[in-house]
Amino acid sequence: NAGVTQTPKFQVLKTGQSMTLQCAQDMNHEYMSWYRQDPGMGLRLIHYSVGAGITDQGEVPNGYNVSRSTTEDFPLRLLSAAPSQTSVYFCASTWGTSGAHNEQFFGPGTRLTVL
Amino acid sequence: AQSVSQHNHHVILSEAASLELGCNYSYGGTVNLFWYVQYPGQHLQLLLKYFSGDPLVKGIKGFEAEFIKSKFSFNLRKPSVQWSDTAEYFCAVILDSGGGADGLTFGKGTHLIIQP
Repeated sequence: NAGVTQTPKFQVLKTGQSMTLQCAQDMNHEYMSWYRQDPGMGLRLIHYSVGAGITDQGEVPNGYNVSRSTTEDFPLRLLSAAPSQTSVYFCASTWGTSGAHNEQFFGPGTRLTVL
Repeated sequence: AQSVSQHNHHVILSEAASLELGCNYSYGGTVNLFWYVQYPGQHLQLLLKYFSGDPLVKGIKGFEAEFIKSKFSFNLRKPSVQWSDTAEYFCAVILDSGGGADGLTFGKGTHLIIQP
């Protein structure tokens, strides 16, 4: 199993550009989520999904969209990038429809810089 | 609102020293608790978790943590650290009854440096 994979590993954008961060898992996990990690802030939840076709907002959703058309994929879209979105983005997944009861598996991260 | 507090942001120890990293949480309900580790340039990995039962839990690589409900604490310990333990350590909490809306609430992390 590849586990949780993310692409790209690094990305530089200009303010106002859009892009999609890809996340895929091959463990048949129902629950998937996106976090951003900022220095001195820990990780904060952006969006999550409890299954195909079902998504919802986390703590810091503004400026990001998600969709879940398949169990395996959970892309994160930045519609109009801003410097405040410079961060490291982690995708995670786990069994069940709640992140509460199992270990979450994290991807390797995408380091995004917005100029 | 729920929060997780890690008391030490930077810790420097010598090899073979004992380690204790503090974690306190503020939550209004039954919680599940985790410690994750992030080695330099790598993604987060689970060290250990507590859901219920024995409040002293053992994880990988010789780490353990004790859940003290009355103190809302979940401190991480290791009796003798190694240079390879150099990493960022995160305490994380989630409501046991929560759906995905809460997600994991992370502490700000502790950067641990082990000197040879």
